[in-house]
Amino acid sequence: AQSVTQLDSHVSVSEGTPVLLRCNYSSSYSPSLFWYVQHPNKGLQLLLKYTSAATLVKGINGFEAEFKKSETSFHLTKPSAHMSDAAEYFCVVINQAGTALIFGKGTTLSVSS
Amino acid sequence: DGGITQSPKYLFRKEGQNVTLSCEQNLNHDAMYWYRQDPGQGLRLIYYSQIVNDFQKGDIAEGYSVSREKKESFPLTVTSAQKNPTAFYLCASSMASGRTDTQYFGPGTRLTVL
Repeated sequence: AQSVTQLDSHVSVSEGTPVLLRCNYSSSYSPSLFWYVQHPNKGLQLLLKYTSAATLVKGINGFEAEFKKSETSFHLTKPSAHMSDAAEYFCVVINQAGTALIFGKGTTLSVSS
Repeated sequence: DGGITQSPKYLFRKEGQNVTLSCEQNLNHDAMYWYRQDPGQGLRLIYYSQIVNDFQKGDIAEGYSVSREKKESFPLTVTSAQKNPTAFYLCASSMASGRTDTQYFGPGTRLTVL
């Protein structure tokens, strides 16, 4: 069965410093992986997705993620945090049939000034 | 503007009552989904529909029902059989239901059972 594990439930950074949100996946097939962001009481917005093309994926708002098969990881990074980045981030894998997203438990990102 | 709308934003229900959550999309997507989100957890799939007049149970379908009579609409009914219905409900849609298809989400409905 496929799954994702977000290694940190909460990450705190200062504005202008780098962001690293960690995600490991487990899959018996070549996975499609996503990062979504959720602001309080809002729906989810897609940041980026990996679908077996380039291993370094660039997304919106300066975020990027690197697919590392040898480490079964898909960590999300951003060079410089902004106050507006404070939100909940979800690492997601899609099931083999393509019918359901399987979510990690989420990482809350706090950004201080 | 293309997108997914959910209504209402907040919904209160007395125990024993059924309630229906609305989800509409104008993206011309074939596939639609309902997820439930509980505090501190990721989303879990309730039901999905790959095409009009067809739908399938997800991981936590008990106590819920859906219909898909029109391509753009996928309403969810939370029945009195659902033991713990208080949660944030999110609807999503995608062009098709394949492994490379992106699911786009609506703004959600927060249901509270009094």
